[in-house]
Amino acid sequence: AQSVTQPDIHITVSEGASLELRCNYSYGATPYLFWYVQSPGQGLQLLLKYFSGDTLVQGIKGFEAEFKRSQSSFNLRKPSVHWSDAAEYFCAVGGTGRRALTFGSGTRLQVQP
Amino acid sequence: EAQVTQNPRYLITVTGKKLTVTCSQNMNHEYMSWYRQDPGLGLRQIYYSMNVEVTDKGDVPEGYKVSRKEKRNFPLILESPSPNQTSLYFCASRKLQAPRSSYEQYFGPGTRLTVT
Repeated sequence: AQSVTQPDIHITVSEGASLELRCNYSYGATPYLFWYVQSPGQGLQLLLKYFSGDTLVQGIKGFEAEFKRSQSSFNLRKPSVHWSDAAEYFCAVGGTGRRALTFGSGTRLQVQP
Repeated sequence: EAQVTQNPRYLITVTGKKLTVTCSQNMNHEYMSWYRQDPGLGLRQIYYSMNVEVTDKGDVPEGYKVSRKEKRNFPLILESPSPNQTSLYFCASRKLQAPRSSYEQYFGPGTRLTVT
């Protein structure tokens, strides 16, 4: 069965600091991996996705993620966080064929001025 | 514009009063699904459909029904809503099989349901 673990429920960083959000997955084949962001009261926005190829994936809003097969991880990074990045972030795996897209429980990011 | 629409966006109802949340997509996608989002649990799949008249249970189907009579529509039905179904609901659609290079999954804007 596929699953996603986001070990950090809540993270606080200072504006301008770097950010790394952790994601570990379990999947029986080459995974499709995603990061979504949800601002308060809003829907889901796709930040980036990984299917194959280059293990460092660039996304929108200056985010990137690195796929590490040996560690079953797909961590999200940003070199300098902006106050507008405060939101909840979801890692997800799967979503092909009849498989559901399986989400992690989310990481809430707070940005301090 | 490619999109998934849901209606209503907000709904407050009482226990036991049947309701339907509609979902429609304009991309001719075969695969449609419903998710519910609850704090600390992320999004969990309720039901999915791989094509017209083909539906199946997801991870949390209890208390819900769906139908897929047309390819573009996938309504979620709560025949007797209960307070534990208070949640944020998302509809999603994608092609059933797509090359990696053209894979896209679309989410609707969400429906916030409160059952009192």
